[in-house]
Amino acid sequence: KNEVEQSPQNLTAQEGEFITINCSYSVGISALHWLQQHPGGGIVSLFMLSSGKKKHGRLIATINIQEKHSSLHITASHPRDSAVYICAVRWEDYGQNFVFGPGTRLSVLP
Amino acid sequence: GAGVSQTPSNKVTEKGKYVELRCDPISGHTALYWYRQSLGQGPEFLIYFQGTGAADDSGLPNDRFFAVRPEGSVSTLKIQRTERGDSAVYLCASSPLGRGSEAFFGQGTRLTVV
Repeated sequence: KNEVEQSPQNLTAQEGEFITINCSYSVGISALHWLQQHPGGGIVSLFMLSSGKKKHGRLIATINIQEKHSSLHITASHPRDSAVYICAVRWEDYGQNFVFGPGTRLSVLP
Repeated sequence: GAGVSQTPSNKVTEKGKYVELRCDPISGHTALYWYRQSLGQGPEFLIYFQGTGAADDSGLPNDRFFAVRPEGSVSTLKIQRTERGDSAVYLCASSPLGRGSEAFFGQGTRLTVV
């Protein structure tokens, strides 16, 4: 079964902490997205990765194709980073559709 | 507009009624996706359009759900005889055609069936 898993499921951090959220998947992919969803809000795409590493502000995303694993890092976390972070992949052999992970709920406390 | 636009942002309807949810993708994006997100869960695939045709509608839960994209741009998701279990956030995304192309998501329509 093609699956996307994320860990941890829930994460509480103090403001300023370095945060890592992990995503693993079961088969080859053509693209991986990290998405952010605030309570009651829509989804914002943070990164799209097919290899290597990307950085945007305090956010860093990495992907290891061989290990079928990606990480999202947040440096100097802030309460406004509190949201659900979702990993979504497009399977290599399954057309254009995306499959979403269950999400990681992050709470950053002041 | 610059991004994917979904209307309405919120919809409350009575059980048994018919609803239409609209998605305006980014201009020129060939691929359009509909997803449904129930409370506390990740989005689930409903249907994917490539141009005007539904390339994959395997995620539609039953025949009460139908989606169209007649001119290859705007798409409408239609739900007949709504049930309370249909309450969810319905998300739309679009992307240029091609593997590895980035997808852009709308803000979603929150449907509540009472």
